[in-house]
Amino acid sequence: KAGVTQTPRYLIKTRGQQVTLSCSPISGHRSVSWYQQTPGQGLQFLFEYFSETQRNKGNFPGRFSGRQFSNSRSEMNVSTLELGDSALYLCASSSKTSGGEETQYFGPGTRLLVL
Amino acid sequence: DAKTTQPNSMESNEEEPVHLPCNHSTISGTDYIHWYRQLPSQGPEYVIHGLTSNVNNRMASLAIAEDRKSSTLILHRATLRDAAVYYCILNDKAAGNKLTFGGGTRVLVKP
Repeated sequence: KAGVTQTPRYLIKTRGQQVTLSCSPISGHRSVSWYQQTPGQGLQFLFEYFSETQRNKGNFPGRFSGRQFSNSRSEMNVSTLELGDSALYLCASSSKTSGGEETQYFGPGTRLLVL
Repeated sequence: DAKTTQPNSMESNEEEPVHLPCNHSTISGTDYIHWYRQLPSQGPEYVIHGLTSNVNNRMASLAIAEDRKSSTLILHRATLRDAAVYYCILNDKAAGNKLTFGGGTRVLVKP
């Protein structure tokens, strides 16, 4: 089975621009979660989608948004980029909606640099 | 979200066991204890999880205290490829697929 794939792997943008990142989950997985990783804040949960609906949301401003398509692929968008948005953005997929025992499978991430 | 406390770093010699402690004194009855690790330049990967009983898999063992307020991840024979940041995470079923990562423990394996 192919793992979680994320595109692009690297991205450079300037302040004020917007960016869209893509995530393809493992085949059959219907839950996709997004995380932001920075040296200062570590790994932080952004949001989770299941069956095209957002099920969980972290504490990020409205500039961060996402969506999920009928084939479970997901995109996240960051508008009006700020320098502090420079980070590694990780996508994870899971085969179930509920947490607890379920494990998540992470992609390699998209490294975003905002200049 | 219930919090976990881990040492910032640990060192081990190659082919020796590594015991990684995790304190989670505010754990609730429905929290599963998960361990993930993140190798350099990679996304996190699942290691092991448990609820009340000790667990073993091909990667590691998880020892859970009887009161569940602490747990220990055991790497039986560390290799250089085990050098990573190890995260202990409490995953509540009610929270959905939302993992709250702490700072983790950076493991250095010396040859």
